[in-house]
Amino acid sequence: GAGVSQSPSNKVTEKGKDVELRCDPISGHTALYWYRQRLGQGLEFLIYFQGNSAPDKSGLPSDRFSAERTGESVSTLTIQRTQQEDSAVYLCASSLPPGQGVFNYGYTFGSGTRLTVV
Amino acid sequence: QKEVEQDPGPLSVPEGAIVSLNCTYSNSAFQYFMWYRQYSRKGPELLMYTYSSGNKEDGRFTAQVDKSSKYISLFIRDSQPSDSATYLCATTDTGGFKTIFGAGTRLFVKA
Repeated sequence: GAGVSQSPSNKVTEKGKDVELRCDPISGHTALYWYRQRLGQGLEFLIYFQGNSAPDKSGLPSDRFSAERTGESVSTLTIQRTQQEDSAVYLCASSLPPGQGVFNYGYTFGSGTRLTVV
Repeated sequence: QKEVEQDPGPLSVPEGAIVSLNCTYSNSAFQYFMWYRQYSRKGPELLMYTYSSGNKEDGRFTAQVDKSSKYISLFIRDSQPSDSATYLCATTDTGGFKTIFGAGTRLFVKA
């Protein structure tokens, strides 16, 4: 597609339930990133994929968070047993691999999934 | 200490004013510096980038990096109401696998 697509755009869930967030990157973008943005705060790095491999999972807040990626395509971020502090906007971004081309350190972001845990 | 520090504002200016947005960073390994603009309920979009120290100009926008003081700036000339958004500074090292973002400065340009 023309841009990074995320679904759902909004999700309200009850505390303790599991949620799955989806990201469709730009075709040809082998790098994919998940960030979390809490209200009034900056972007918090969660995980990075190069292809379907995740070299850096250092930002995942706890073992309730996991992410997968199919090939160089769709990624899903799963949060198990959601807590109220998980409420945030979850942003996905994609890019060409770092170091390739004139400049590939810029990301293309989706519009995010706004997660509310009640 | 956060790796990238940015005053969250908000910053309110009249239309036509020159806006100065600033960040500091702590890691001297950072080589690439970026500014993203984020409108309400949208994802951030890349506005400008620079490599190492120096200035870069693009229309009404100028990005400036001073590596000796670890200081990043974005100047907006002749600001417009459409510039009202949150501006996030960001940086990464040459590996480029993980971009570190500032908290973002919320800018309001009043008509």
